Amino acid sequence: EAQVTQNPRYLITVTGKKLTVTCSQNMNHEYMSWYRQDPGLGLRQIYYSMNVEVTDKGDVPEGYKVSRKEKRNFPLILESPSPNQTSLYFCASGPTTAGGLNTEAFFGQGTRLTVV
Amino acid sequence: SQQGEEDPQALSIQEGENATMNCSYKTSINNLQWYRQNSGRGLVHLILIRSNEREKHSGRLRVTLDTSKKSSSLLITASRAADTASYFCATGDQTGANNLFFGTGTRLTVIP
Repeated sequence: EAQVTQNPRYLITVTGKKLTVTCSQNMNHEYMSWYRQDPGLGLRQIYYSMNVEVTDKGDVPEGYKVSRKEKRNFPLILESPSPNQTSLYFCASGPTTAGGLNTEAFFGQGTRLTVV
Repeated sequence: SQQGEEDPQALSIQEGENATMNCSYKTSINNLQWYRQNSGRGLVHLILIRSNEREKHSGRLRVTLDTSKKSSSLLITASRAADTASYFCATGDQTGANNLFFGTGTRLTVIP
């Protein structure tokens, strides 16, 4: 089954304790992206990757890191989480055409992170 | 910001009625997409309309796009209780197409 898999689905952590949220897709998509969703703000892009070893900042990258060593994996790293990073996180992937994401994106089920 | 805005923020209708949601955006786009999100779950793609298209249908969904007004509408006909969800428009920008800019969503409740 074609899917984007995020882990964990739920995570409660303490301020400053490094964590990684994993994302994996089995559709051979070039494009992958991380979004965070907050009430009243919709989804905002954190980082994206157009292909292996190619990553770039989205709208709200502060406090986050990513890597794209393999095509299927795009982990999100919070080196020193803070309470303002409490949010619902989504990973997305999609095929690229004409050099961009010009078609639908596939989303994971989300990771609800609470930083206390 | 390129973020779209949906209107209304919340909509409550009876089963069988039609539901119309609107989306406005700010810059030139390559395409506009509509997604559905059940409470706290992942987003599911519903339909994509390209900037050179004016209307598109998929089952009970009808999407229109007016690039001169920078607006789109999503019509769900003959609504069902299972349509209860949040609906988001997302725009793919005309330049790098490396991001989807999401609106804040319309929360639709269909009352059985």
